[in-house]
Amino acid sequence: DQQVKQNSPSLSVQEGRISILNCDYTNSMFDYFLWYKKYPAEGPTFLISISSIKDKNEDGRFTVFLNKSAKHLSLHIVPSQPGDSAVYFCAASEDSGGSNYKLTFGKGTLLTVNP
Amino acid sequence: DGGITQSPKYLFRKEGQNVTLSCEQNLNHDAMYWYRQDPGQGLRLIYYSQIVNDFQKGDIAEGYSVSREKKESFPLTVTSAQKNPTAFYLCASSPRPVGGSPLHFGNGTRLTVT
Repeated sequence: DQQVKQNSPSLSVQEGRISILNCDYTNSMFDYFLWYKKYPAEGPTFLISISSIKDKNEDGRFTVFLNKSAKHLSLHIVPSQPGDSAVYFCAASEDSGGSNYKLTFGKGTLLTVNP
Repeated sequence: DGGITQSPKYLFRKEGQNVTLSCEQNLNHDAMYWYRQDPGQGLRLIYYSQIVNDFQKGDIAEGYSVSREKKESFPLTVTSAQKNPTAFYLCASSPRPVGGSPLHFGNGTRLTVT
């Protein structure tokens, strides 16, 4: 039972264009969402997060959008750069204001940015 | 520099042997975690610890054991009872519950059991 789904295993875009990575979730109790970036043989690094009280959060070239009614979030990267080529993981947790320590990850999307 | 150190980077063991993966952090974080990554499977939670001398099972704890005797250290033992131990193991930490702060990850240990 996969609670966080990234249905596109891979995505290829041209340098300078927009990259849009999508994530769907099934657990309506999730209220805190994160995106991580991972290079091969390294640990994931945190990119950006959003809580359920917001529908958008922006940090430089990265913007995350949350649609709670659709249980869908997306990560936009504008403009895309070759160094953005990596696996991107969507993750979610319940009860952002409480004592929950568990994070549930999707399977990841491999982004390739072509020069 | 503060961070999470996992050692060794690559580990090879024969089937039937227990093996312990090291994880040390100098971030002064209370919570520590172990995740496993398999191809096409994403990251799955094995164990986590909110505080010294306390830990809880994650989603795939069978065949694994942990200890948390010091705040800085959270070693993971892969026992012979783990049916598919070959994987990439990631240790992480956080200062607060995940809703309040993201996890910081180490660079992982790739375990191969033959």
